[in-house]
Amino acid sequence: EADIYQTPRYLVIGTGKKITLECSQTMGHDKMYWYQQDPGMELHLIHYSYGVNSTEKGDLSSESTVSRIRTEHFPLTLESARPSHTSQYLCASSEYEGSGNTIYFGEGSWLTVV
Amino acid sequence: GDSVTQMEGPVTLSEEAFLTINCTYTATGYPSLFWYVQYPGEGLQLLLKATKADDKGSNKGFEATYRKETTSFHLEKGSVQVSDSAVYFCALYDYKLSFGAGTTVTVRA
Repeated sequence: EADIYQTPRYLVIGTGKKITLECSQTMGHDKMYWYQQDPGMELHLIHYSYGVNSTEKGDLSSESTVSRIRTEHFPLTLESARPSHTSQYLCASSEYEGSGNTIYFGEGSWLTVV
Repeated sequence: GDSVTQMEGPVTLSEEAFLTINCTYTATGYPSLFWYVQYPGEGLQLLLKATKADDKGSNKGFEATYRKETTSFHLEKGSVQVSDSAVYFCALYDYKLSFGAGTTVTVRA
C-alpha cells in the first residue's frame, strides 16, 4: 500500500489568492511528480523532482511552482489563482524496486477557483 | 520522446462481456509498462505492471502482456462486471511516467 498523502483534498478559492497544495510521502522515494488532470481526461506532467533541491518543469506549461527541500515533501504553489487553474492535481512518487520502477499516486487535490 | 497511444473510448459493454483496450508505445529505452484505473471521483490506482519483454501483469482478472516486437501492452478481461466501470490509463516509465489519453469503460447490468 502506498503512503503518499495530499492536502487539501478539496478546495474552493477566489481568484487572485495564493494556494499551496501539499504532498508528502513516507517511502523515502527520491523521485516525485505533479500531474494535472481534468475529470476523466488525460494526465499532464507539470513538474518533477529527482531528489532534494532538484525540480524540473514537465510537458505541460504551468504557472505553478514547486520546491523540494526535504525528500518526503513536494509542495506545489500557485501565487495567484485563476479560474483556468480549476482542475485535479495528482502527486506521485517512484523508486526503483529491483523489478522496475513503480509509481504511486496520492488521492488528488481538487481545486476550484471562482 | 516517449509516448503512449491508447484506444479511444468510450467503451460500453454488457456484464460478462470480454474487454480489450489497445495500447501501443514509443520509447527510446526499455520502459516499464503500467495500467492504472481511476474510478469515478477517485485518484489513480495501479492495476498491473510489466517491467520487461514477455512479462504478463495481472490483477483482479485483468491481464496485459509486454510485447516488445509490436510495442504493445493491451489490457484484457474475460468477463467484466459493473464494478469495472472506470477510466483506464496505459502508461510507460522510462525516465518519467508518460500516460495515454485514457479510455472510459462503462459496464451495464
